[in-house]
Amino acid sequence: EVQLLESGGDLVQPGGSLRLSCAASGFTFSSYAMSWVRQAPGKGLEWVSIISGSGGSTYSADSVKGRFTISRDNSKNTLYLQMNTLRAEDTAIYYCAKDKTGVVAATYVDYWGRGTLVTVSS
Amino acid sequence: EIVMTQFPATVSVSPGERATVSCRASQSVGSNLAWYQQRPGQAPRLLIYGASTRATGIPARISGSGSGKEFTLTISSLQSEDFAVYYCQQYNNWPRTFGQGTKVEIK
Repeated sequence: EVQLLESGGDLVQPGGSLRLSCAASGFTFSSYAMSWVRQAPGKGLEWVSIISGSGGSTYSADSVKGRFTISRDNSKNTLYLQMNTLRAEDTAIYYCAKDKTGVVAATYVDYWGRGTLVTVSS
Repeated sequence: EIVMTQFPATVSVSPGERATVSCRASQSVGSNLAWYQQRPGQAPRLLIYGASTRATGIPARISGSGSGKEFTLTISSLQSEDFAVYYCQQYNNWPRTFGQGTKVEIK
């Protein structure tokens, strides 16, 4: 059974930093691309960033480019999102999501974690 | 970026009836479209990929159709567990983009 367990969400001040983690199990982690998708309170879904199975390719949404960095440790079956220079508009539930394939290509998310809440406020 | 527009924003349906949700892309996405269901307080769940292929474990009463720019999600004979928010998402171009969601509520 595929399981994705996010952690690291917290209350942080504007301009601060936070690192999210996602522990994966139930599949061969290194064979699949992984994404972060966020959902602001009461709002819709916004794709944030994706990384290939090998970690060699990454893409990020313009709204977080230069501030957020996605990475993975295949030896630990863990996905990360380093979030710097946080803004109030980054407040959201952040979901870890598994892609159907290992490459960053025209493919879709087939499993989602339960999410971790990030609140940016003074 | 491709803009995905869903309509209606809310659809009110009685249990046992049919619900239809539409999704329109600002440019063609071929068949690279997925539908997700999100129940209150839960993570999204994949329903449909490739515009019309049901994901594992999704009942036959849920179906998807369309290609290019126009897509439809149909839920026939609504059950209690089907009342939720539904999102379309294109994965043809970067960035991947979602529709704003359609809430299917009990009439």
